[in-house]
Amino acid sequence: AAGVIQSPRHLIKEKRETATLKCYPIPRHDTVYWYQQGPGQDPQFLISFYEKMQSDKGSIPDRFSAQQFSDYHSELNMSSLELGDSALYFCASSYEGDSYEQYFGPGTRLTVT
Amino acid sequence: AQSVAQPEDQVNVAEGNPLTVKCTYSVSGNPYLFWYVQYPNRGLQFLLKYITGDNLVKGSYGFEAEFNKSQTSFHLKKPSALVSDSALYFCAVRDPDTGNQFYFGTGTSLTVIP
Repeated sequence: AAGVIQSPRHLIKEKRETATLKCYPIPRHDTVYWYQQGPGQDPQFLISFYEKMQSDKGSIPDRFSAQQFSDYHSELNMSSLELGDSALYFCASSYEGDSYEQYFGPGTRLTVT
Repeated sequence: AQSVAQPEDQVNVAEGNPLTVKCTYSVSGNPYLFWYVQYPNRGLQFLLKYITGDNLVKGSYGFEAEFNKSQTSFHLKKPSALVSDSALYFCAVRDPDTGNQFYFGTGTSLTVIP
């Protein structure tokens, strides 16, 4: 079965650079979530989109922005990167008219040097 | 405010013995509860969920969990542990009255000893 696809899988950036992470949800899924998982931490919710509109906002820094496109894929844009942004970034998708669980992608490991 | 607590950072169990990974929650309304497993450098894999209905839910790989409303708990259990069950387990809660985001516990590292 198709799963959530995230690209790139690994990304190395320097401080103050920008990064764009991409997420392709499972076909038919209409909701996308972004999470940040620091080393040894639990996933922290950043932001979600339902039908291309922002639905919930969590602890996303102002330096970050995200959007969901007409094909339901989503991009997380991160600017003025800081060392503390180094983390595993997960995207999850769900179909809100279905069974509520979120299906997670493999994550993008971002390292800021 | 919504929150999830996993009181044990680490659980060790011998192969073949039953295992329990604990989770308690705090939400204002009726919770949706989930368990996910994470293997090293991998994404979170869904194990099981409680939305409504029978308090005992069965999930993937022989895992089950019991929703206890009076104790606000949703402990994960398996009758006979396998070495391959060794992983990081996260409990998550969603409060449908306030949004669709998940709140995760801090995770419990399960080690099954051969």
